[in-house]
Amino acid sequence: DAKTTQPPSMDCAEGRAANLPCNHSTISGNEYVYWYRQIHSQGPQYIIHGLKNNETNEMASLIITEDRKSSTLILPHATLRDTAVYYCIVRGAGTSGSRLTFGEGTQLTVNP
Amino acid sequence: SAVISQKPSRDICQRGTSLTIQCQVDSQVTMMFWYRQQPGQSLTLIATANQGSEATYESGFVIDKFPISRPNLTFSTLTVSNMSPEDSSIYLCSVLLGQGGEQYFGPGTRLTVT
Repeated sequence: DAKTTQPPSMDCAEGRAANLPCNHSTISGNEYVYWYRQIHSQGPQYIIHGLKNNETNEMASLIITEDRKSSTLILPHATLRDTAVYYCIVRGAGTSGSRLTFGEGTQLTVNP
Repeated sequence: SAVISQKPSRDICQRGTSLTIQCQVDSQVTMMFWYRQQPGQSLTLIATANQGSEATYESGFVIDKFPISRPNLTFSTLTVSNMSPEDSSIYLCSVLLGQGGEQYFGPGTRLTVT
């Protein structure tokens, strides 16, 4: 699986958009970008994933650059409950894909 | 998504004893995973447990220390054997679901070894 690089921490004001970057310059053509988050003392929560097109769901948007070497997770209107560690993970898709390997992630703190 | 429960949610155990953690899923899944999260650290995969086959362990984890059972498609157990304080961690089970291969996690079992 390709390695990812994320900033260790970020701050965001409540109600503003939170943009979390991730570099994955060694990503291969069949690998997807997955985002998870872990709120303190809870199990990780799946957020979104994508291959090369931008994706949006009820939780967030995922913007992947054209060369696929980096991506940005966008929380459009951050709330205090979005304070968590956010993990960007690259792996193959589907049940035949390899298991998730977690890095250190980004600690996002949403401030009132 | 899937609803995943773990028992116990937390426990305090003495050195040298063993603890079995249960993971129950509300739907049938082929692939289940066990992770460990040591204090202040990220998640580390212990093993992959597929029904009907032996669990596959990651480097640094062995079956004698972390035996796993997977009797059916909705249930698995992880035993932490001969515990030491270094085994104090949160243990999480996870399942692979969906066409996109999303993984879902249980709430975790917080283990403290004294």
